[in-house]
Amino acid sequence: DAGITQSPRHKVTETGTPVTLRCHQTENHRYMYWYRQDPGHGLRLIHYSYGVKDTDKGEVSDGYSVSRSKTEDFLLTLESATSSQTSVYFCAISGGGYRGTEAFFGQGTRLTVV
Amino acid sequence: DAKTTQPNSMESNEEEPVHLPCNHSTISGTDYIHWYRQLPSQGPEYVIHGLTSNVNNRMASLAIAEDRKSSTLILHRATLRDAAVYYCILRDELLRGSSNTGKLIFGQGTTLQVKP
Repeated sequence: DAGITQSPRHKVTETGTPVTLRCHQTENHRYMYWYRQDPGHGLRLIHYSYGVKDTDKGEVSDGYSVSRSKTEDFLLTLESATSSQTSVYFCAISGGGYRGTEAFFGQGTRLTVV
Repeated sequence: DAKTTQPNSMESNEEEPVHLPCNHSTISGTDYIHWYRQLPSQGPEYVIHGLTSNVNNRMASLAIAEDRKSSTLILHRATLRDAAVYYCILRDELLRGSSNTGKLIFGQGTTLQVKP
């Protein structure tokens, strides 16, 4: 299995509080991604990173920020959590380049905002 | 971002081959075709990817049209464990210096049901 770990795995938080989810990899892969998945829906890209300190917005970035200060860690922050951000969050990592390498996904973080 | 179009759902009988189609008429020369699947209550997992030539691995085969505007994921003998949502994704791998390189955007996918 690819070395990717999400923490925490489960979290319940109150509306208006800040929340940070961590994605840690041991594969030295260039690309890291944060997705959310709501019941009955596919994965939607929140933010992704194509290198240390290089990040870009995805499809649903409002209300989220990210940081990547080193290769192995990609942090997703909800500055002020809302109930609409209750979801399952997946992190993914990937190499890249001419080999078009595959992405590996973490086990997911179930976040509930009450 | 290049788009893909897949049927919402498909059915198959166990131990029969399954052909899952994907249309990507706006594919660019630097886009790789990736397939992932998501089993119930799990994160997505990689299935196969290719650029121009057909590809085979232990899980599946990928047939790519000559004009690259469509592709087909082939499961040679479907099992009950293959029931999942299958996603066809285009991923730019080669456009150096572009922030779009490596971006991985999922569509709605095809829900495959396998009947015993």
